[in-house]
Amino acid sequence: AQKVTQAQTEISVVEKEDVTLDCVYETRDTTYYLFWYKQPPSGELVFLIRRNSFDEQNEISGRYSWNFQKSTSSFNFTITASQVVDSAVYFCALSEASGAGSYQLTFGKGTKLSVIP
Amino acid sequence: DTAVSQTPKYLVTQMGNDKSIKCEQNLGHDTMYWYKQDSKKFLKIMFSYNNKELIINETVPNRFSPKSPDKAHLNLHINSLELGDSAVYFCASSQTGLLQETQYFGPGTRLLVL
Repeated sequence: AQKVTQAQTEISVVEKEDVTLDCVYETRDTTYYLFWYKQPPSGELVFLIRRNSFDEQNEISGRYSWNFQKSTSSFNFTITASQVVDSAVYFCALSEASGAGSYQLTFGKGTKLSVIP
Repeated sequence: DTAVSQTPKYLVTQMGNDKSIKCEQNLGHDTMYWYKQDSKKFLKIMFSYNNKELIINETVPNRFSPKSPDKAHLNLHINSLELGDSAVYFCASSQTGLLQETQYFGPGTRLLVL
């Protein structure tokens, strides 16, 4: 079973539309962290946000917002008024203990967002 | 100043060859990682090192051998390259490898095995 599920493989929106990227995770740990990364067409991985399992407050950063709901094990990402520069693959990731004192970041399969001008 | 750098950016080679990818970070981090991103964009951890010591070693063929000469460098050596090794390899680093730390990624090395 996948630990991080991003059910939307690809999404296309027209510029200025809002779009939400879904992320559902699975863990037995009570303490864990969730991340979103962006991979633009140039290929690098850009960190966007980190959220710990005890903080369910929504977060907003400019046009980006994140909705963390522990009850549904979801950490969704919304882009408001999308722009062409938002076109990228977005990854959700889970950081949890992997045994023997080490920690591991597990990625979802990514959602490819295309914003059409 | 590039925080996490990798060389080369592109690597095209023949099956059976041996190749290395170098990674350096100037963030002063203790922990470094190698990830493989396949053609479907799936990212998976391969190794992690903390202060030159191997911490995570996922199920990776032993043709892959990481080497950490110091905590700022983590190189990846691949012996007897196979077609299936074609992928993008990302190096990353984090402060001390703890649960809450953000990992910062290098630009990736695109390996193509012919």
